Amino acid sequence: GEDVEQSLFLSVREGDSSVINCTYTDSSSTYLYWYKQEPGAGLQLLTYIFSNMDMKQDQRLTVLLNKKDKHLSLRIADTQTGDSAIYFCAPQPNSGYALNFGKGTSLLVTP
Amino acid sequence: SAVISQKPSRDICQRGTSLTIQCQVDSQVTMMFWYRQQPGQSLTLIATANQGSEATYESGFVIDKFPISRPNLTFSTLTVSNMSPEDSSIYLCSVDSGTGVYGYTFGSGTRLTVV
Repeated sequence: GEDVEQSLFLSVREGDSSVINCTYTDSSSTYLYWYKQEPGAGLQLLTYIFSNMDMKQDQRLTVLLNKKDKHLSLRIADTQTGDSAIYFCAPQPNSGYALNFGKGTSLLVTP
Repeated sequence: SAVISQKPSRDICQRGTSLTIQCQVDSQVTMMFWYRQQPGQSLTLIATANQGSEATYESGFVIDKFPISRPNLTFSTLTVSNMSPEDSSIYLCSVDSGTGVYGYTFGSGTRLTVV
């Protein structure tokens, strides 16, 4: 199966940028998703990138994809305390197949 | 995108008993996925459920422990059988809402505590 690796923790000051990194092994991944999980809550789709793109921007979120290195990153600009959550990288192997999840990066935003 | 209603949202159960978790989707979907999220951990796929056929289980999960029903294209249940404290986790169902913009939709989860 696919291996998805993420760093476990990230702490930033409010107003700074956050960068969460992810590496994966399955080069056939078509869509690559970022999900957010707030304490005690379910998973919320944050953003995604299609495998033929190398960058996608969505308001404060920027996703970078290096397909050659199988590296995905999520940048959150002007990070707010409400962004404190666990962020999961989830490549989709093929349409209709279950997502593979990284261990999640716990982002802590301090005032 | 699809909307999933999952219940119960939480339960505290005695060891040795069973709990059935239900997921209702507001649209027809071919496959439904069941995940387990142990405390402080990531999501682990338990099984994939197709309508009209037996679920496909991942390594480490067996049908006797986690029987799944999929009677139609909008509904599925997962039963956690003969529970032990090690089964205390969050259980989530998920469907493919259409790749890309909608991604995969998740139920709100069932937080199970076995005592």
